Amino acid sequence: QKEVEQDPGPLSVPEGAIVSLNCTYSNSAFQYFMWYRQYSRKGPELLMYTYSSGNKEDGRFTAQVDKSSKYISLFIRDSQPSDSATYLCAMSAFAGGTSYGKLTFGQGTILTVHP
Amino acid sequence: GAVVSQHPSRVICKSGTSVKIECRSLDFQATTMFWYRQFPKQSLMLMATSNEGSKATYEQGVEKDKFLINHASLTLSTLTVTSAHPEDSSFYICSALVRGGWTQYFGPGTRLLVL
Repeated sequence: QKEVEQDPGPLSVPEGAIVSLNCTYSNSAFQYFMWYRQYSRKGPELLMYTYSSGNKEDGRFTAQVDKSSKYISLFIRDSQPSDSATYLCAMSAFAGGTSYGKLTFGQGTILTVHP
Repeated sequence: GAVVSQHPSRVICKSGTSVKIECRSLDFQATTMFWYRQFPKQSLMLMATSNEGSKATYEQGVEKDKFLINHASLTLSTLTVTSAHPEDSSFYICSALVRGGWTQYFGPGTRLLVL
């Protein structure tokens, strides 16, 4: 079993739809949770980051973390064609030494928003 | 803020030559930088962790003599692919961990093609 599971999709939605992206994880030591957006042939761009359980909102994006269920989500409201990209969830544990800051990624979900 | 640059963005070289890729944090200090490799339609694979002023830590299966990493300052890490072969062709991405923090910012990536 992978430490982080993410449905690779692809996911295709019409413009204006609400998009829900999800990841589950098995390592209870994970405390920091991030969502990255990656356009084709580009480096990942940090969208949202949260620490521990709860919700965080930034514009059209909302990140949710449920540590009890080991489940995180990213919601995109009023989706736009420019949101078409691969979305990667990532998480890390509070660890020291050589493991500090190491991220474990999901497989990425390919999202297409069509006009 | 939180910009990471990579140079070059694309490089084509002959088999047997060495290629150096630079990763710079432009507006913040990063005691730790990470190097990833990404194949088409796959997630990021961590190659090594680079700590300023100390030796890099390599992930299992990554040849440290082939992928030389130097982190000489708080804003610069370099990856040198020595004696490159066609199987080394890939998309190499670096990320920088904000000093004292836990958020990582990624560079735009370097596409390496070995002929």
